[in-house]
Amino acid sequence: AQKITQTQPGMFVQEKEAVTLDCTYDTSDPSYGLFWYKQPSSGEMIFLIYQGSYDQQNATEGRYSLNFQKARKSANLVISASQLGDSAMYFCAMREGGQFYFGTGTSLTVIP
Amino acid sequence: EPEVTQTPSHQVTQMGQEVILRCVPISNHLYFYWYRQILGQKVEFLVSFYNNEISEKSEIFDDQFSVERPDGSNFTLKIRSTKLEDSAMYFCASSVHRVMNTEAFFGQGTRLTVV
Repeated sequence: AQKITQTQPGMFVQEKEAVTLDCTYDTSDPSYGLFWYKQPSSGEMIFLIYQGSYDQQNATEGRYSLNFQKARKSANLVISASQLGDSAMYFCAMREGGQFYFGTGTSLTVIP
Repeated sequence: EPEVTQTPSHQVTQMGQEVILRCVPISNHLYFYWYRQILGQKVEFLVSFYNNEISEKSEIFDDQFSVERPDGSNFTLKIRSTKLEDSAMYFCASSVHRVMNTEAFFGQGTRLTVV
């Protein structure tokens, strides 16, 4: 079974609108971490936001928030007030033990 | 802000040649990782390193690969005899701890092209 599933290969959003990128995960370990990374066309991986499995509140970092639903094993990324510079690939990842598992990514295009 | 740095940004090598990819992790970090991303595909874990030894490795990390921390700052990935399918973006990452609630920071990547 896939550890991380991102079911949206591509998404479009109007500038200034909010967008939700989906991520579900699979683990039986009670202790894990969930991450979102942004990969622009230049290729680097940029850390966006982190959620720990024991965190009670949803993580927020500026315009990014993580909608963590533990029972459903989902960790969706919400980007509010989208900007043109948000156009990129977005990867959801889970840290379990010493390893990271990445999803296949969602390509987000922000339309002016 | 501290960052993970990788050199070179792009390396072209002939099949069968050895390559060494270099990384300087963030200075107070203790755990180091290598990942690769074949063009258009997802990021794959290769190896984690702690206390001067491999902590975990994936099935991709076979005998052709090795990692080393030759001094207090550099962390290297060596591919002994490159194959065409080794062409990928290689990312180094580091984190303060192995435990779950710590961020891992990635370098900007080295694009390896094997011809």
